[in-house]
Amino acid sequence: DIQMTQSPSSLSASVGDRVTITCRASQSINSYLNWYQQKPGKAPKLLIYAASSLQSGVPSRFSGSGSGTDFTLTISSLQPEDFATYCCQQSYSTPWTFGQGTKVEIK
Amino acid sequence: QVQLQQWGAGLLKPSETLSLTCAVYGGSFSGYYWSWIRQPPGKRLEWIGEINHSGSPNYNPSLKSRVTISVDTNQFSLKLTSVTAADTAVYYCARVEWLRNLDSWGQGTLVIVSS
Repeated sequence: DIQMTQSPSSLSASVGDRVTITCRASQSINSYLNWYQQKPGKAPKLLIYAASSLQSGVPSRFSGSGSGTDFTLTISSLQPEDFATYCCQQSYSTPWTFGQGTKVEIK
Repeated sequence: QVQLQQWGAGLLKPSETLSLTCAVYGGSFSGYYWSWIRQPPGKRLEWIGEINHSGSPNYNPSLKSRVTISVDTNQFSLKLTSVTAADTAVYYCARVEWLRNLDSWGQGTLVIVSS
C-alpha cells in the first residue's frame, strides 16, 4: 500500500494568515492526489483533485501543488470557516489511502 | 446535484454482520464507481472498497475476506462479517469521480461494536 504522511499534524493560525500543509507519498503517485476538508461530525468535502484542480464551488483561496511524492495545500488567507481538519488521499493505485490529517486551529 | 443518503444498524455485538445501504438521488448512477470508506475514532480515513453500476467490485485487501459490496437500482450496500471492536468507526458512502477522487459523500453512520 502507498503510505501518505502529512505535516504538520496540527497548526495554530490566525484569520488572514497564509497556511501551508504538506503531504508526502511513499512512492511516486504522479498527480493523483486529492485534498479534503473535514469538520467535526461531518463528512469530508473535496477541495482539490489531481493535485492542483479546484473543485467546483471551492473558494479560490485554496490551492494545491506538487507531483511525484511531494504535495502542498495552501490557504492564501485563512477565514473563520476554514478551521477544520485537512487530509490528502492518493488515487494512483488501490487501495486508495489517506493521510492522517492536519488540524488547523485558531491561534 | 447528487445526494447520497445512507442507513443501517449502529450498534452491533462482536461476530455479527455490519450492514449499510447508500441511496443515490439526483444524479446519474451508471458511469461511476461508488465507494465505502470508514474512519475509526481519532484515526485516518480507510478505504473499504468500491463497486460500479454493473456490480464489479474492488476491495481493500486488508478487509477483502470479510467485505461484500453489492449494487441495486440507484443504491449500493456494504456487508462486513465477523465484526470486532476494531470495526467501530464512522462509515461513509461516496461517489468516485473519473480521476478517482471522492466528490460526494453520505452523511456518515457511526457503527459501534460492543458486547
